[in-house]
Amino acid sequence: EVQLVESGGGLVQPGRSMKLSCAASGFTFSDYYMAWVRQAPKKGLEWVASISYEGSSTYYGDSVKGRFTISRDNAKSTLYLQMNSLRSEDTATYYCARWATTAEFDYWGQGVMVTVSS
Amino acid sequence: DIVLTQSPALAVSLGQRATISCKTNQNVDYYGNSYMHWYQQKPGQQPKLLIYLASNLASGIPARFSGRGSGTDFTLTIDPVEADDTATYYCQQSRNLTWTFGGGTKLELK
Repeated sequence: EVQLVESGGGLVQPGRSMKLSCAASGFTFSDYYMAWVRQAPKKGLEWVASISYEGSSTYYGDSVKGRFTISRDNAKSTLYLQMNSLRSEDTATYYCARWATTAEFDYWGQGVMVTVSS
Repeated sequence: DIVLTQSPALAVSLGQRATISCKTNQNVDYYGNSYMHWYQQKPGQQPKLLIYLASNLASGIPARFSGRGSGTDFTLTIDPVEADDTATYYCQQSRNLTWTFGGGTKLELK
């Protein structure tokens, strides 16, 4: 069974940093692109970042480019999102998602809440 | 960026057909595939994949759900609608390496 379990969220002050993790199981992690998608309270889904199989290629949404870094450790089957210079508008539930070979997000984690507030 | 436009809400009666539309500002077709996907999200839950590549039913999804379309116009149909289908439905494109979602359509029962 495919499982994606996010961790590392919580309350953080504006301008500070936070690192999210996503532990994957039930599939060969290195065979898939992975991504982070977020959802602000009462809002829609927003793609944040994606990473290739070995991590050599990364892609970012305009709202986080230059502040967030996606990475992965295939030996640990874990995806990361390093978030720097956090802003109040980064407050959201962050989902880890697997990007299937047919280009959709076929599995999602349960999400982790990040609140940016002083 | 490719922008996806959905109507904010739709109300249908139990047992009737619901048709949710998604329009894009750019063609999302590429080499014979339409890179459009549909998700269902219920309150407090993560999104669930329903349809991939415009018309393919995801694993475990009932055949009441179907998708069609190409180019810039896509639809998700639920027929017949059941009470458990009340949720928000999102379309999403993956034509290029900047993935975008529609704003979501909230399906309610009359």
